[in-house]
Amino acid sequence: NAGVTQTPKFRVLKTGQSMTLLCAQDMNHEYMYWYRQDPGMGLRLIHYSVGEGTTAKGEVPDGYNVSRLKKQNFLLGLESAAPSQTSVYFCASSLGQFSETQYFGPGTRLLVL
Amino acid sequence: DAKTTQPPSMDCAEGRAANLPCNHSTISGNEYVYWYRQIHSQGPQYIIHGLKNNETNEMASLIITEDRKSSTLILPHATLRDTAVYYCIVRVDTGGGNKLTFGTGTQLKVEL
Repeated sequence: NAGVTQTPKFRVLKTGQSMTLLCAQDMNHEYMYWYRQDPGMGLRLIHYSVGEGTTAKGEVPDGYNVSRLKKQNFLLGLESAAPSQTSVYFCASSLGQFSETQYFGPGTRLLVL
Repeated sequence: DAKTTQPPSMDCAEGRAANLPCNHSTISGNEYVYWYRQIHSQGPQYIIHGLKNNETNEMASLIITEDRKSSTLILPHATLRDTAVYYCIVRVDTGGGNKLTFGTGTQLKVEL
């Protein structure tokens, strides 16, 4: 079991460029989440998904889009990157609505110049 | 949403018990208390959770006061590898997704 994996590990973008972060889990979890973490702050929820084909907004969704076409994958897209999106992005998954535990990936470090 | 308050930092000697406090005075009756930790540059890791009763697992113990307004995470024999930021979280359940609201946590430093 690889658990939760994230691709890429690190990326540098110029302002206005687009990119997609990939999260994959092999635990057959229903729920998946994208968080961002900025220096000195806790994690903030961007978007989440309660199942294949569904997505919902979290605390800080502006500037991001997501898709969950397959149960095991959750994609986070930045259509036009801004320096304010420089952050560490973490993906997580959990078994279902009544599952207490979220399993996190190793993170993607994104720098927008 | 119930907010949590934690001290920003704590020190602990290796081999000693680390007791990390958390206040959650506005917690609702059906809200669980979760603890996660984040070792530098890694993704957060689940430690333990509880509702009313004290809980224990292979990693830690969770003591919740009778009025549920505060709790303490206990690492019984802290090691250098337990140095991390520890987050106390009260689960926000809006009926779709177990969304966790992370605060700034407690930076625990375990020293020789």
